[in-house]
Amino acid sequence: KQEVTQIPAALSVPEGENLVLNCSFTDSAIYNLQWFRQDPGKGLTSLLLIQSSQREQTSGRLNASLDKSSGRSTLYIAASQPGDSATYLCAVSLGVDYKLSFGAGTTVTVRA
Amino acid sequence: DTGVSQDPRHKITKRGQNVTFRCDPISEHNRLYWYRQTLGQGPEFLTYFQNEAQLEKSRLLSDRFSAERPKGSFSTLEIQRTEQGDSAMYLCASSVGQIYGYTFGSGTRLTVV
Repeated sequence: KQEVTQIPAALSVPEGENLVLNCSFTDSAIYNLQWFRQDPGKGLTSLLLIQSSQREQTSGRLNASLDKSSGRSTLYIAASQPGDSATYLCAVSLGVDYKLSFGAGTTVTVRA
Repeated sequence: DTGVSQDPRHKITKRGQNVTFRCDPISEHNRLYWYRQTLGQGPEFLTYFQNEAQLEKSRLLSDRFSAERPKGSFSTLEIQRTEQGDSAMYLCASSVGQIYGYTFGSGTRLTVV
């Protein structure tokens, strides 16, 4: 059974600091990994999708890396803004099994 | 709006009542998924459809839960004889293929009182 862990559970930083969010998974035979953002009481917004053959993906201030062999992914958010305050979830998909296994998320607060 | 739509956004029901949620996926997406999320946790898989066929159901989906996707279009999730433990956010997602990832809806927040 795939276990996904996100550390830390919560993070508070002043505006302008870079954010580093960690995700680890137990089964390295993943098909892809997806990072999502969730605002309070809302659904999930996809941020970045990394295929198992890729090492990283970038979108604007966001960069996600993937190290399958060690079972880790890191989401970097550069020059954080108060609008980045949200919960960030990572999820992995295994092989032909299209289900996503999610971590519990990291709740980020960016202080103005 | 070309995203995934869920209705209603919020539902408050008394214990023992039946509730039904609807999900309209992105039109060209043949795969549709239901997840449940409780406070402070990540979403947990419930079931998924490829077109109209329900291919897998989680053990979380007790006999009180049923999902359908007639004609491979919208999907409904029904919970019979609701219990307080059913209170959660129910999320629907769709996909055209695993390589493209998933698109989630805004969810239906269920509160059982």
